[in-house]
Amino acid sequence: DAMVIQNPRYQVTQFGKPVTLSCSQTLNHNVMYWYQQKSSQAPKLLFHYYDKDFNNEADTPDNFQSRRPNTSFCFLDIRSPGLGDAAMYLCATSRDLGQGNQPQHFGDGTRLSIL
Amino acid sequence: DAKTTQPPSMDCAEGRAANLPCNHSTISGNEYVYWYRQIHSQGPQYIIHGLKNNETNEMASLIITEDRKSSTLILPHATLRDTAVYYCIVRLDSNYQLIWGAGTKLIIKP
Repeated sequence: DAMVIQNPRYQVTQFGKPVTLSCSQTLNHNVMYWYQQKSSQAPKLLFHYYDKDFNNEADTPDNFQSRRPNTSFCFLDIRSPGLGDAAMYLCATSRDLGQGNQPQHFGDGTRLSIL
Repeated sequence: DAKTTQPPSMDCAEGRAANLPCNHSTISGNEYVYWYRQIHSQGPQYIIHGLKNNETNEMASLIITEDRKSSTLILPHATLRDTAVYYCIVRLDSNYQLIWGAGTKLIIKP
């Protein structure tokens, strides 16, 4: 089945140690998004790629970076994780940004813990 | 800033219709209302969306008031597997970004 896959489901890293989270999709969608979701809160958009064009949200910390080497894969890099970065990180895709009202399809997330 | 207001929690008996309200009084003319749900430890799942007209699909119905200031998501025959947090979302017309509400935790009881 076509889907959005996030690996790993659980990730533990040390304070200040760089970490990379992965997302892949078999939907061949143009847009890939990264969200941060903290406990009992709604997801918060960090950035998105439309094809190769990167769009950063204004309040996303510089500590968060992203790479999209091809249509299928997108990575979230946290350069120096702090305790406040512990959260669920969700990847989502959509065919287009909003034209045609196509919904976003989410993966099951990676839960990041910081020691 | 959130554009939607939802009750924090609701209960519903199994087999009954679950009606989840949402207020979006500041919604603009071309902004869509989307509903997603999130079951514990899973990613959000798309349910339905609409602009002005009522919508129905295999999962739910969406009733939007004529003035578009509020809407109701209806799960016609709730099952225990419908227990989840339900998010009412406004999609901005300017950049298509989803503005999420705080969500309603729906608990289906046997």
